[in-house]
Amino acid sequence: DAGVIQSPRHEVTEMGQEVTLRCKPISGHNSLFWYRQTMMRGLELLIYFNNNVPIDDSGMPEDRFSAKMPNASFSTLKIQPSEPRDSAVYFCASSFRTDTQYFGPGTRLTVL
Amino acid sequence: GENVEQHPSTLSVQEGDSAVIKCTYSDSASNYFPWYKQELGKGPQLIIDIRSNVGEKKDQRIAVTLNKTAKHFSLHITETQPEDSAVYFCAAVGARGSQGNLIFGKGTKLSVKP
Repeated sequence: DAGVIQSPRHEVTEMGQEVTLRCKPISGHNSLFWYRQTMMRGLELLIYFNNNVPIDDSGMPEDRFSAKMPNASFSTLKIQPSEPRDSAVYFCASSFRTDTQYFGPGTRLTVL
Repeated sequence: GENVEQHPSTLSVQEGDSAVIKCTYSDSASNYFPWYKQELGKGPQLIIDIRSNVGEKKDQRIAVTLNKTAKHFSLHITETQPEDSAVYFCAAVGARGSQGNLIFGKGTKLSVKP
C-alpha cells in the first residue's frame, strides 16, 4: 500500500515567493496533519483536519501560512510570501479514527 | 497544555548493548504514547505505541513501559544493532479531547557503534 505522499521533496525559492506544498494521505484515512521540523523547535504541529475540516490551526505561525483540504485525498500548505525563517522540513501525516499517525517523507524547504 | 520532556538528547552504545530513552508528560489525561524512529532524510516512522490501560508492551527487541502515576514512559531497545542508529521521538496526546493532537519530545539521537 502507498503511504503518505508529499511533493515536492525539495523546494528552493527566494524570499517573497509563494510556496505550495502538497500531500496525499493514505487512502481511507480521515485525519490529516501538517508539521514543521527544525533543529531549534523540533516537530511542531501546524494544523490538522478531520473529515476535510480544519480542527486546530493554532500552530500556524502567522497569516502568511494557509492550508486547505478540498477533498479526502489531497491537502496543500501554502506560504505567501515566504521568508528565510520558513526554511524547514514540512511533514504531512494521516490517521484513521485513532491517534496513530503515519508520516510522509517530508518536503525540505529552503528560502533564500 | 501537554508538555513532553525527553532524555537523553544523545545516546551512544556499543552494538549488542541495551538502550533506554525516557520521557515525561504533564497532562494526566493523556492516554496514548507512541514512539517514532526517524532516519536521516526520512519522515518519522511509528515503531511502537502504548495506551494508558497497559503498563508494558513488547515487540521483538523493542519494549515500552508506562508509569501513569509518575507520568513517565520509556523505550527499551535490547541487543542494539547499527541499523538502530537514528533519532527517536516520544509523543503524547495533546489537549483534552483533541484526538490525534500529538505533542512530541525533542528527540534522542541514538548511535550504535559496531
